[in-house]
Amino acid sequence: EDKVVQSPLSLVVHEGDTVTLNCSYEVTNFRSLLWYKQEKKAPTFLFMLTSSGIEKKSGRLSSILDKKELFSILNITATQTGDSAIYLCAVEEWVQGAQKLVFGQGTRLTINP
Amino acid sequence: GAVVSQHPSWVICKSGTSVKIECRSLDFQATTMFWYRQFPKQSLMLMATSNEGSKATYEQGVEKDKFLINHASLTLSTLTVTSAHPEDSSFYICSASGVWENIQYFGAGTRLSVL
Repeated sequence: EDKVVQSPLSLVVHEGDTVTLNCSYEVTNFRSLLWYKQEKKAPTFLFMLTSSGIEKKSGRLSSILDKKELFSILNITATQTGDSAIYLCAVEEWVQGAQKLVFGQGTRLTINP
Repeated sequence: GAVVSQHPSWVICKSGTSVKIECRSLDFQATTMFWYRQFPKQSLMLMATSNEGSKATYEQGVEKDKFLINHASLTLSTLTVTSAHPEDSSFYICSASGVWENIQYFGAGTRLSVL
């Protein structure tokens, strides 16, 4: 069965710290891996990763994919209270010609001032 | 860009009634829309995938007669929960993707409470 596992499930740090969120996966027809940030309701798109070893960066956030070891990490440097959210990792696969996202459980990140 | 609107954000209904949830792509044409269900402290579980003008494809274990999906245009998909029961209470969230990329953009979700 296809699965996506995120760790840790919960993380509490102080403002200014750097955090690393992990996502490992086992899927049959991997196409890409996506990271989303879910604050209150709608997950907002962060990154899409398709190739190994190529870091994607947006401000203080960065992510990289390892297709050999089947995992991805999301780094957040100099964390701010506004980074508090649930971070979702999802793997895109194609099943019978249709796109499907398999989500991990999410990591609940809390940044304390 | 890539904004998805979902309405209503919260609905309370009596057991046995039907509830319709709308999902609209506001600034792009969504060739494919997806409906998810999220239980407390759990991940998003895909319920069904719909392409404009064709029947939705349901995931295993999702009752198609209970969760009616219509994707009548490139900007609107609806999910109707028919004869809702308390066990249908959940957070329902839609997403949409366009022809140019495979990124799904999510609506804000609908919290359904069935009394």
